[in-house]
Amino acid sequence: EVQLLESGGGLVQPGGSLRLSCEASGFTFTDYAMSWVRQAPGKGLEWVSEISGSGNSLHYTDTVKGRFTISKDNSRNTIYLQMNSLGPEDTGIYYCAKERAYNSFFDFWGQGTLVTVSS
Amino acid sequence: EIVLTQSPATLSLSPGERATLSCRASQSVGSSLAWYQQRPGQALRLLIYDASSRATGIPPRFSGSGSGTDFTLTISSLEPEDFAVYYCQQRSSWPLTFGGGTKVEIK
Repeated sequence: EVQLLESGGGLVQPGGSLRLSCEASGFTFTDYAMSWVRQAPGKGLEWVSEISGSGNSLHYTDTVKGRFTISKDNSRNTIYLQMNSLGPEDTGIYYCAKERAYNSFFDFWGQGTLVTVSS
Repeated sequence: EIVLTQSPATLSLSPGERATLSCRASQSVGSSLAWYQQRPGQALRLLIYDASSRATGIPPRFSGSGSGTDFTLTISSLEPEDFAVYYCQQRSSWPLTFGGGTKVEIK
């Protein structure tokens, strides 16, 4: 059974940093790309970043480029999202999601971790 | 960036009725489009990928159609558990984008 478990969310002041983790199980971790997708309170979904199964290919949405870094640790079956220079616009639930196949869509999602940026 | 526009924003229907949801892309995405369902307290669920292929375990009352810029998700007969928010998503080009969502509510 595929499971994705996010952690690391919390309350942080504007300009601060936070590192999110997503521990995966139930599939061959290096075979699938994974993404972070966020949802501001009461709003829709916004894709944030993706890392390939090998970890060699990274993509980001423009609003987080230079501030967020996605990475993975294959020995821990975990992906990370290092978030720096956080602003109120980064507030929301952050989900990790697994791709169903190469260059495909997200077939499994975690329950999310809440990030609140506020003074 | 490819913008996905979903309509209507809200759809008020009764159980047993047919639901038709629309997703329009600002430029062609070919067939590289998916639909997801979001219910409170539950993980997001992939319904349709590649515009018309049902994901594993998705009942046949859900169907997707379209290509290029115009796509439709149809729920042939609404069950109580189908009242939820639905999102379309493209992965034709970076950045990946989602539509704003359609809420299907009980009339």
